[in-house]
Amino acid sequence: QSVLTQPPSVSGAPGQRVTISCTGSSSNIGAGFDVNWYQQLPGTAPKLLIYVYTHRPSGVPDRFSGSKSGTSASLAISGLQAEDEADYYCQSYDRGLSASVFGGGTKLTVL
Amino acid sequence: EVQVLESGGGLVQPGGSLRLSCVASGFTFSTYAMNWVRQAPGKGLEWVSAISYTGGGTFYAHSVKGRFIISRDNSKNTLYLQMDRLRAEDTAVYYCTNSNGISGDNYFEDWGQGTLVTVSS
Repeated sequence: QSVLTQPPSVSGAPGQRVTISCTGSSSNIGAGFDVNWYQQLPGTAPKLLIYVYTHRPSGVPDRFSGSKSGTSASLAISGLQAEDEADYYCQSYDRGLSASVFGGGTKLTVL
Repeated sequence: EVQVLESGGGLVQPGGSLRLSCVASGFTFSTYAMNWVRQAPGKGLEWVSAISYTGGGTFYAHSVKGRFIISRDNSKNTLYLQMDRLRAEDTAVYYCTNSNGISGDNYFEDWGQGTLVTVSS
């Protein structure tokens, strides 16, 4: 059971927009700690996708965006492409555990 | 170009030990905190350990505290993870990654390709 809760899977057709939620608690997201997102393509290492809720590292398309609301965060992917098919993980810090924590991951399928 | 290269994984019996290494280049190693993050087969990501840029501060996940030791050699741009009293549940791909901080609001910027540790008799 992950500290941060993500849906196991989401799907969408090419060109559509999908969102992935990340729900935490007052010990992590609700305590004001940042949320970051990682993309893991099949058979590869994770890659930083979004940091500090909304910032994109150089090279990440602006089709990817992040947001926060209360004790939750969301990753939105617009204009879905086949190459977006991957696992997505949210990450934050939990003050009760004194540890960085990840969500369980969401598998995105492009139909 | 940033490069992060882990090594040292392999098959080890329960109760055994293993030392992982991670050599980094393309960024100023001595100014970044460093971390180990692992991923069990078919499972999600789990943060394992972090070390400050000087090496003076270390942090561990509850699951490995007392069994794993993280260290670094800034003169060699190298990060280490000494893993003792290994258990079957430690079986995972271990990733080396830098971060903007050691705790709190930190994120993992650059990742290696990972090294597989298998604990089995």
